[in-house]
Formats: sequence, structure tokens, C-alpha cells
Amino acid sequence: EVQLVESGGGLVQPGRSLRLFCAASGFTFDDYAMHWVRQAPGKGLEWVSGISWNSGSIGYADSVKGRFTISRDNAKNSLHLQMNSLRAEDTAVYYCTKGTIFGVAEGFDPWGQGTLVTVSS
Amino acid sequence: SYELIQPPSVSVSPGQTASITCSGDKLGDTYACWYQQKPGQSPVLVIYQDSKRPSGIPERFSGSNSGNTATLTISGTQALDEADYYCQAWDSSTANYVFGTGTKVTVL
Repeated sequence: EVQLVESGGGLVQPGRSLRLFCAASGFTFDDYAMHWVRQAPGKGLEWVSGISWNSGSIGYADSVKGRFTISRDNAKNSLHLQMNSLRAEDTAVYYCTKGTIFGVAEGFDPWGQGTLVTVSS
Repeated sequence: SYELIQPPSVSVSPGQTASITCSGDKLGDTYACWYQQKPGQSPVLVIYQDSKRPSGIPERFSGSNSGNTATLTISGTQALDEADYYCQAWDSSTANYVFGTGTKVTVL
């Protein structure tokens, strides 16, 4: 069974940093692109960042570019999101999700349970 | 930036057909996919590559994509189909994935 388990969320002050983790299992991790998608309270889905199987292609939403960094460790089947200079508008549930090829919308499946990031003083 | 516009809400009677549209400039030139999200749950992929269903998704879910509009159709809608639905596409001009604005489907 494919499983994605996020961790690392929590309450953080504006301007501070947080690092999210996603542990993957049940599939050949280094065959697939991976993504982070977030959902602010009561709002819709927003793609945050994605990374190809070999980290050769990486993308970011304009809203996080220059502040967030995505990375992966294929040896440890893990995906990471380093979030710096956090703002109140970054408050959201952050989902880890499995893609296919980076740059094609062939569907994100499955999704983790999400981890809540709250940015507040 | 590229936008995908969906109607905020769609109401349907049990057993009837619900159609949810997703509008974007030249959307038909790229793949569209659809997600279902029930309250308090993570999204679930229901349609990919415009019209394909992942394993485990009921046949009553179907999709199409042409011109500027992708459509998700739920035939014989059931109460358990009540959820938020989001379309998604890849915007090659910005190298970003884009989600639609979301549609709340209510089964009355």
C-alpha cells in the first residue's frame, strides 16, 4: 500500500523557519515526481512546489519562490520542504503527494493526511 | 497568471447527473485532472489525463476536455458523492501546476 506521512508542522512566529518532512513507502520512490500542496483554512488547493524523480526539475509557486526550498532523499524515501521567512498567509494544511512526471498534469495520487502549519505571533 | 475557473456550487438530486465545468485558456491543449475532497479528508484523484479513472473510482465518474473547458460528470449521483471538486492542469508558461477554484457539490 502506498503511504505518505507528513510531519514537521506546528505553530511558528512570522519571519521564522520550519521544515516539513514526508515519509514515503509502498512504491519505488525514485521513479516519481513529488509535490507539496497546501490548503488554507476554508480555502481551495494551492500547489506549492514540486520536484522530479532525480531533482533535475524543480518548481515553485510565485507565492513561495525565494522563501521555500524543496528537496528529496531517494535513499531514505523522503521529501522535504524548508520554509523560511514565514508569513501569516502561509498558514495552511500542507499535503505531500505523489506525481508522475514533473511538468505533466497526470494526477497527484495519493495524498498524505497533511500537516498543519500555523504562522502567528 | 493562469486561472482555472469553476462554478462555486452545483446541486443535484440523487440518481441524477451532475456536471462540473473548469474553464481556462486553451485548457484542451493540455491534460486536465479532477480531485474529490470530502470534509476533513485529503483530496482523492478521480479523473486523470482528461477522462481516465484511477483504480477504485466508480464508473459513474467521467471526464472530458476540449477547447477552453474540461468537464467532470457524475452519473447517477449518490449522497456519498457530496464533496468539493477541484480541477487541475499544468501551465507551461509559468511551469506551475494550477488548481481550479473548486466546486461544492450538494446532493439534495
